[in-house]
Amino acid sequence: EVRLVESGGAWVQPGRSLRLSCKTSGFTFGDLAMTWFRQAPGKGLEWVGFIRSKLHDETTGYAASVRGRFTFSRDDSRDTAYLQMNSLKREDTAVYYCATGPISWYTFHYWGRGTLVTVSS
Amino acid sequence: DIVVSQSPLSLPVTPGEPASISCRSSQSLLHSNGHSYLDWYLQKPGQSPQLLIYLASNRAPGVPDRFSGSGSGTDFTLRISRVEAEDVGVYYCMQSLQPPLTFGGGTKVDIK
Repeated sequence: EVRLVESGGAWVQPGRSLRLSCKTSGFTFGDLAMTWFRQAPGKGLEWVGFIRSKLHDETTGYAASVRGRFTFSRDDSRDTAYLQMNSLKREDTAVYYCATGPISWYTFHYWGRGTLVTVSS
Repeated sequence: DIVVSQSPLSLPVTPGEPASISCRSSQSLLHSNGHSYLDWYLQKPGQSPQLLIYLASNRAPGVPDRFSGSGSGTDFTLRISRVEAEDVGVYYCMQSLQPPLTFGGGTKVDIK
């Protein structure tokens, strides 16, 4: 069974940093890209970005709203993807989801349950 | 960025009746390989999104065959042949042709 479990969400003050994790199981993590989405309270879905596999040089892509502040990484030995969030803003408040899929980096068969990040003073 | 829009915003449905949701993109999602890069997701209340349809018309594994997707280029439709109570939630279309991946605003489906 494929599982993705996000963790690390917390309440944090503006300007601070936070690192989210996405621990996976049930598939060969190293073969697949990992993508992050977020959903602000009561709002729709927003793509945050992705990190591809080693085979694809761990290429990353970021939404304009987070570029330069957020960084994706992965540890294939731990089957885990990470989202390092720096210089957090109030508008980063959201549930953050990791997702992946076996067909392509842009088709998401598998999603985690999400972890809530609240940025507030 | 490709802008994606959906209609209607809200869709009250009667169990057993058909339903459809429209999705439109600001530019063609048709790739030179012949596929249109438009996907449909359903987010049930309190849950994560789940993939229903990818590449406009391909049903994801485990998705009931009452769900179907159609369209090409800039206009797409998700159809539910006979709505069931478990189909309530917010439906999103998403373009996957190019980053940034972008979503429609969502269509909330609930039971009349």
